[in-house]
Order: sequence, then C-alpha cells, then structure tokens
Amino acid sequence: DGGITQSPKYLFRKEGQNVTLSCEQNLNHDAMYWYRQDPGQGLRLIYYSQIVNDFQKGDIAEGYSVSREKKESFPLTVTSAQKNPTAFYLCASSIGTGSDTQYFGPGTRLTVL
Amino acid sequence: GQNIDQPTEMTATEGAIVQINCTYQTSGFNGLFWYQQHAGEAPTFLSYNVLDGLEEKGRFSSFLSRSKGYSYLLLKELQMKDSASYLCAVLDFSGGYQKVTFGTGTKLQVIP
Repeated sequence: DGGITQSPKYLFRKEGQNVTLSCEQNLNHDAMYWYRQDPGQGLRLIYYSQIVNDFQKGDIAEGYSVSREKKESFPLTVTSAQKNPTAFYLCASSIGTGSDTQYFGPGTRLTVL
Repeated sequence: GQNIDQPTEMTATEGAIVQINCTYQTSGFNGLFWYQQHAGEAPTFLSYNVLDGLEEKGRFSSFLSRSKGYSYLLLKELQMKDSASYLCAVLDFSGGYQKVTFGTGTKLQVIP
C-alpha cells in the first residue's frame, strides 16, 4: 500500500530530552512537510523540504531540526530548546510544492512531562 | 502575511445542507484548499480551487471568488460521519516561493 506513515502514535518524554519523530512515505513524492497543531489553532508549518538534502524553515522552526537524507524519510527532532513541545505533529508529502495536494500521515501526539 | 478567517464551530441537522465560509487576505494568491479532519486524525483533501466559480464533487462543493477573497464549502445531505473539522488553506506565492497557510478550522457537529 502506498502512503505516509508516522510512528509512534503517542509519545511521552521528560522535559529537557530531545526526541525524534519519524515520517516515511512510499509515494515517490519530492516534497515533505512538518506541521504542528494545537487546540484552537490552525496547522503551523515547522519545516519543509522540496528535494533530498535540502530543507527550509517554516513559520515556527525554533527548537526543531530536520534532515532529508533519503527521499522517503523526513525525521523531525524536537529539541530541549523548544519551549512548549506538547502538541500533535503532522507530517505531509506532495508530488512537488505549490498547488500539489498534500497528503498527511496519521500524526504523532507528543506529550512532554 | 496572510489572514484566514473561518467560523469556529457550526451545528447542522442530518440530511440538511451546510455552508462553511472562509475569507482570506493575501498578496500572492495562488489557490485555495479544503481539508476534512476527524478528531485525532490526519486531514484529508477535499478540494482545490484556483479559478472563480463552483467545483462540485459528489455531496461536497467548493466555491471561490478571488476578487472578494472568499470561499465556501457546501455539504449536502449531511450524514453523521460528516462531523469533523473543515480546514481552509490558502496557497500563496510570496518571497520567491509558494507556501500553504491553514486557517484554524471549523468544527462541524451533525445532529440527528
């Protein structure tokens, strides 16, 4: 089955620890994205990548880091510098950027204790 | 920058029709998406409009007026499973690249 996967569904971490969220797609999409969703707010773009080995900051990149070493994978690291990391994190991919439809993974709910 | 406005919540009756509005302000408009998101799940694509007019897709239709900065999503013959949040997202070309910005979403509750 073609699709985009994120694991785990729920993740708990202690304050001060870095944590990496995985995102994998087998849709052969060039572009991948990370969003954060908080109650009462829209999806906010953290980072996006248009092609392998290239990525750009979104609106709220502070405290996060990414890598794009393979086309299929776009992991997001939430560092201890992120002041309020508890949120629902969504990964998406699209054929290209712009008007191409973004397809979302099931999301990871991160809770920092 | 962008400003996208949608109602926070709406309630409608099963079998009825509901219209969810979205207004936006942007300098480099390049299209508008509607997504459906059930609680705790990923958003799923519903429609994309770039030209003025109505796009119909089964029970769902989406309308765009570029001159008014206005779009709506029309849901007909409402079913209980349509209870979800509906996200309006604007594609904007600015600063040399294209970017999608999401609104806060409209939570629709369908009641019997």
